[in-house]
Amino acid sequence: NAGVTQTPKFQVLKTGQSMTLQCAQDMNHEYMSWYRQDPGMGLRLIHYSVGAGITDQGEVPNGYNVSRSTTEDFPLRLLSAAPSQTSVYFCASSYRGGRETQYFGPGTRLLVL
Amino acid sequence: AQSVTQLDSQVPVFEEAPVELRCNYSSSVSVYLFWYVQYPNQGLQLLLKYLSGSTLVKGINGFEAEFNKSQTSFHLRKPSVHISDTAEYFCAVSGSFSGGGADGLTFGKGTHLIIQP
Repeated sequence: NAGVTQTPKFQVLKTGQSMTLQCAQDMNHEYMSWYRQDPGMGLRLIHYSVGAGITDQGEVPNGYNVSRSTTEDFPLRLLSAAPSQTSVYFCASSYRGGRETQYFGPGTRLLVL
Repeated sequence: AQSVTQLDSQVPVFEEAPVELRCNYSSSVSVYLFWYVQYPNQGLQLLLKYLSGSTLVKGINGFEAEFNKSQTSFHLRKPSVHISDTAEYFCAVSGSFSGGGADGLTFGKGTHLIIQP
């Protein structure tokens, strides 16, 4: 089991550029989510999905899009990057929902200039 | 809405001494509480969780936490710390973001545990 994988590990973008952060899990988990981690802020939920074809917003969804076409993958899209989106992004998954043990990926460090 | 307050941003402790990391929460729904640990440049992993039942919860690496409903607290403790416990510790509560069920976790800002030799 690879668990939860994320690519890339590190990315530098210019303001206005778009990109997709990839997340995949091989544990057949129904629930997947994206968090951002900023210094002194803890982690904040961006978007989550309870199954293929179903997504919803978390605490800080503005500027991000998600889709869930398969159980395994849950990409996060930045349509027009802004310096305020400089952060470390973590993907997590669990069998069914937010009340269960979350398995986190290693993170993607994003710098927007 | 739910919230988590970790009262200390940084806790220095000597090796082999006991430690307590404090966490207070607020939630309008049934409470499910978690402690996660993040080692440098890694993702988070679960230390322990409280869903129901006994208020004293034991986790990995010798950590334990006590759920106190009247004080809305979930403090993390270890009787004797080791250098390898140096990490960031996050308290979290499950909650609702879209008016539905427990959709995700609300995290505290974290406590950096520093073990001094």
